[in-house]
Amino acid sequence: AQSVTQLGSHVSVSEGALVLLRCNYSSSVPPYLFWYVQYPNQGLQLLLKYTSAATLVKGINGFEAEFKKSETSFHLTKPSAHMSDAAEYFCAVWGGKLIFGQGTELSVKP
Amino acid sequence: EAQVTQNPRYLITVTGKKLTVTCSQNMNHEYMSWYRQDPGLGLRQIYYSMNVEVTDKGDVPEGYKVSRKEKRNFPLILESPSPNQTSLYFCASSLQQGNTEAFFGQGTRLTVV
Repeated sequence: AQSVTQLGSHVSVSEGALVLLRCNYSSSVPPYLFWYVQYPNQGLQLLLKYTSAATLVKGINGFEAEFKKSETSFHLTKPSAHMSDAAEYFCAVWGGKLIFGQGTELSVKP
Repeated sequence: EAQVTQNPRYLITVTGKKLTVTCSQNMNHEYMSWYRQDPGLGLRQIYYSMNVEVTDKGDVPEGYKVSRKEKRNFPLILESPSPNQTSLYFCASSLQQGNTEAFFGQGTRLTVV
């Protein structure tokens, strides 16, 4: 059965610093992987998705994620954090339905 | 504007009083689902529907009902709400299953006292 694990329920970075949110997946077949973002009091919004066309996936708002099969990882990165990036981030895998990780809350310090 | 609309956004109710949370999408999507979000647990699927009149249980269906009489609407019904159903609920729709983007509603924060 497919599953995802997000390492770290809270991550805090300074504005301008690198953002790294970790996600490891478990899947017996080539996975469909997603990152969603949830801003306060809003629904989830797709940041990016892995389609197997390229291992480095670029998303909205300067985020990208790299699919590493050998490490079963799909970590989300952004070179320079902005205050507006403060939100909760969810990694998800398609396994007959969207299966979400526990979420990582990102806070950005001025 | 493409969107998924949930109502109400906030609801406080008493144990045992039946309630319905409505969900409507304007994108002609076939696949719709309901999730509940609880701290530390992420989102868990309650029910889903692959098309009109086709619904099935997700991971946590106990205490909930759904119906899909029209393609655009997918209401969530709590026949006899209990305090353990206090949660944040999201409706989502997508064109089809698999590697397609899911569009989420704004959420419904339900408190059962």
